[in-house]
Amino acid sequence: KQEVTQIPAALSVPEGENLVLNCSFTDSAIYNLQWFRQDPGKGLTSLLLIQSSQREQTSGRLNASLDKSSGRSTLYIAASQPGDSATYLCAVAKAMDTGRRALTFGSGTRLQVQP
Amino acid sequence: KAGVTQTPRYLIKTRGQQVTLSCSPISGHRSVSWYQQTPGQGLQFLFEYFSETQRNKGNFPGRFSGRQFSNSRSEMNVSTLELGDSALYLCASSLAGARTYEQYFGPGTRLTVT
Repeated sequence: KQEVTQIPAALSVPEGENLVLNCSFTDSAIYNLQWFRQDPGKGLTSLLLIQSSQREQTSGRLNASLDKSSGRSTLYIAASQPGDSATYLCAVAKAMDTGRRALTFGSGTRLQVQP
Repeated sequence: KAGVTQTPRYLIKTRGQQVTLSCSPISGHRSVSWYQQTPGQGLQFLFEYFSETQRNKGNFPGRFSGRQFSNSRSEMNVSTLELGDSALYLCASSLAGARTYEQYFGPGTRLTVT
């Protein structure tokens, strides 16, 4: 059974800092890994998706890397802003065709960026 | 293009009642998945529907069921509600045939069982 762990559970940083969020998974037979952002009481916003054959993806100030063999992904946020404050979730999709739309989520990292 | 929509956004029910939640996927998306989010268990996969057929099911009791219509809209039903069913229920849609299988989530339905 796939297990996804995210550390740290919570993080508070001053504005402008670069930061790294970590995600690890136990079963390397994944199809892809997605990073999401969730604001309190709201739905999920997709940030980045990395296919299992890829090593990293970038979008603006965000960069996500994937090391499938070691079961790890990191989300790098450059020059953090107060508007980045949210919970960040990573999720993996199984490699099997029938399971690719059944995501397994980590418990998230709650980020607070202080002005 | 409109995103995933869910109705209602908030719901209060009494223990023992049943509830039906609705999800309209992004236009052209034929796969709809449902997730339950609680503070204790986090986000957990309930089931996935594609072309009106359930393709995947998570580890939830039979009180949780769903269906998908020919226009890809989906409903999920919870019968005999328990206090522990209080949660944010999220649905996600995905474009069939896309290599990425990327999931797009709706705003959720907040269900409170009293």
